[in-house]
Amino acid sequence: ETGVTQTPRHLVMGMTNKKSLKCEQHLGHNAMYWYKQSAKKPLELMFVYSLEERVENNSVPSRFSPECPNSSHLFLHLHTLQPEDSALYLCASSQAGAVYNEQFFGPGTRLTVL
Amino acid sequence: AQTVTQSQPEMSVQEAETVTLSCTYDTSESDYYLFWYKQPPSRQMILVIRQEAYKQQNATENRFSVNFQKAAKSFSLKISDSQLGDAAMYFCAYRRGASGTYKYIFGTGTRLKVLA
Repeated sequence: ETGVTQTPRHLVMGMTNKKSLKCEQHLGHNAMYWYKQSAKKPLELMFVYSLEERVENNSVPSRFSPECPNSSHLFLHLHTLQPEDSALYLCASSQAGAVYNEQFFGPGTRLTVL
Repeated sequence: AQTVTQSQPEMSVQEAETVTLSCTYDTSESDYYLFWYKQPPSRQMILVIRQEAYKQQNATENRFSVNFQKAAKSFSLKISDSQLGDAAMYFCAYRRGASGTYKYIFGTGTRLKVLA
């Protein structure tokens, strides 16, 4: 595997389910991100982890719970979601401290909440 | 607060022609970075080109170049010799230059169609 991978690629869940999204980066980066992408809206930054510490948490509802066990893995635990949470969830990684700190994105998980 | 505006929701270009995508941003910072990302249909987002605010020279990557106008806070992307594979959503993004800044501000994107 290379770059940033995400599983599953597609997920359909009911409002009472609990599921998790997984992200893995194979780039040796030290920062990881979760974004929500909805149609006709800018990407919404949800969480940022740097060196496994959460450094950004943009007023995300508690039904989304991130976990970063090490610098290569990032999870987003989902429970009691709402239909408006249906979106493409993107994971990204970067090398914090590098000049540009540019982000490398995964393919995303298309989430549908019924 | 910083904002990024892409005023063209959709653009079309004939194959082999040139197209320019617009991006304006608002910031009071002097040190920042600007990026253009490309997201092809059902494929992952990739970096196209990047620019540091302190560099006056416009960045160029093969057929992709930018017109960076710092005073006007404009960062447009020019695609020359357009190819069918250039069809995608293009996102402009901004990041403050301060150390420890992780937050990117993205625009709403421009969908580029390439006509054969």
